[in-house]
Amino acid sequence: DTAVSQTPKYLVTQMGNDKSIKCEQNLGHDTMYWYKQDSKKFLKIMFSYNNKELIINETVPNRFSPKSPDKAHLNLHINSLELGDSAVYFCASSRIGTSGGGETQYFGPGTRLLVL
Amino acid sequence: LAKTTQPISMDSYEGQEVNITCSHNNIATNDYITWYQQFPSQGPRFIIQGYKTKVTNEVASLFIPADRKSSTLSLPRVSLSDTAVYYCLVGEGSGGYQKVTFGTGTKLQVIP
Repeated sequence: DTAVSQTPKYLVTQMGNDKSIKCEQNLGHDTMYWYKQDSKKFLKIMFSYNNKELIINETVPNRFSPKSPDKAHLNLHINSLELGDSAVYFCASSRIGTSGGGETQYFGPGTRLLVL
Repeated sequence: LAKTTQPISMDSYEGQEVNITCSHNNIATNDYITWYQQFPSQGPRFIIQGYKTKVTNEVASLFIPADRKSSTLSLPRVSLSDTAVYYCLVGEGSGGYQKVTFGTGTKLQVIP
């Protein structure tokens, strides 16, 4: 069984369209994340949710809206797609630890988004 | 957030031990040091984590000096399949919530 899964794996779309990426984890984790990896391979955190509650919201355009229907799912909706949104988007999950920053994150396979 | 600095790339021959050092001068008391490995077209994968001194698992060793301002990932006898990008990061947690920053990573190329 895949621990963290994302759909779709590839997404090619036109500028201005709205698209969603889905993420599911079957690890029983409480915390889920979205990361963006650009063409230069920099991996930047976008959002973090804990038990369906937004915890981390980095400087991300309002066109990006995460939604967590339950703690096993964290979807990413992107409105009015722009060329600069082309990147690989990774979902990840982790437990909530009792100590700071010590929990391993498990990453999904990534969604390759290409905006034309 | 503690920022990390690591070499952009390294080359190594098969069978050699590889040491990748990461600097994190502003590491906070609560921060753990974690290393991830990323193969092309895949998500990062946890390798090892430590807080201080030395940690060893079946994949690698992690050496952390007493001041914790740097750490060294040691990969014993690398093979071609170890060619990947290796990220060093420190995690700031509050109540267990992680906010980690991935650096540029070190691209390791293993040569036959």
